Amino acid sequence: EPEVTQTPSHQVTQMGQEVILRCVPISNHLYFYWYRQILGQKVEFLVSFYNNEISEKSEIFDDQFSVERPDGSNFTLKIRSTKLEDSAMYFCASRTYSNQPQHFGDGTRLSIL
Amino acid sequence: GEDVEQSLFLSVREGDSSVINCTYTDSSSTYLYWYKQEPGAGLQLLTYIFSNMDMKQDQRLTVLLNKKDKHLSLRIADTQTGDSAIYFCAESISPGAGSYQLTFGKGTKLSVIP
Repeated sequence: EPEVTQTPSHQVTQMGQEVILRCVPISNHLYFYWYRQILGQKVEFLVSFYNNEISEKSEIFDDQFSVERPDGSNFTLKIRSTKLEDSAMYFCASRTYSNQPQHFGDGTRLSIL
Repeated sequence: GEDVEQSLFLSVREGDSSVINCTYTDSSSTYLYWYKQEPGAGLQLLTYIFSNMDMKQDQRLTVLLNKKDKHLSLRIADTQTGDSAIYFCAESISPGAGSYQLTFGKGTKLSVIP
């Protein structure tokens, strides 16, 4: 069964550095998402992306965050200047059309030192 | 605003049924979902129900939806030790752009006692 894949599985970065989290959504999917889960807390929506542009974003998704679909397969989340509070598990998800279920990757654990 | 609430812990004996409950607030929810997260792993879609349905059964899983009370439950029959995980309830909303992002509960940690 097709899967959403995320790399790396764990990223350790110094505070203030830029980090790029990578995702390969399921190939025929059209809508892409990033969520994050701070340890012990809820999974929170960050941003949705469709037709090469952001369709919705949450209050968390401020100017330090950006997303890109640089080619036909990858979907990336960039955090420009990381802060300690950015430490979390970041999940990528994708779905086909309308209100079909979102399928999630295994996540990237981001640790900011 | 939207919010999804779940109890945090549930402990059951192997072979018994587990019932995990969830309440949500957004009456415009279209789909409601159950995801399973095992330690160190991602979010695995278990099942989902459209908001105009009352019940959905899928092998050992039964989802009940009471739209009037905004209450969703997941029943796992014949619970096995492999069912030990965190179970997330999520509602799908669409603020306007058709994004249908998910709002999650905090998750219910199910512990199955052998």
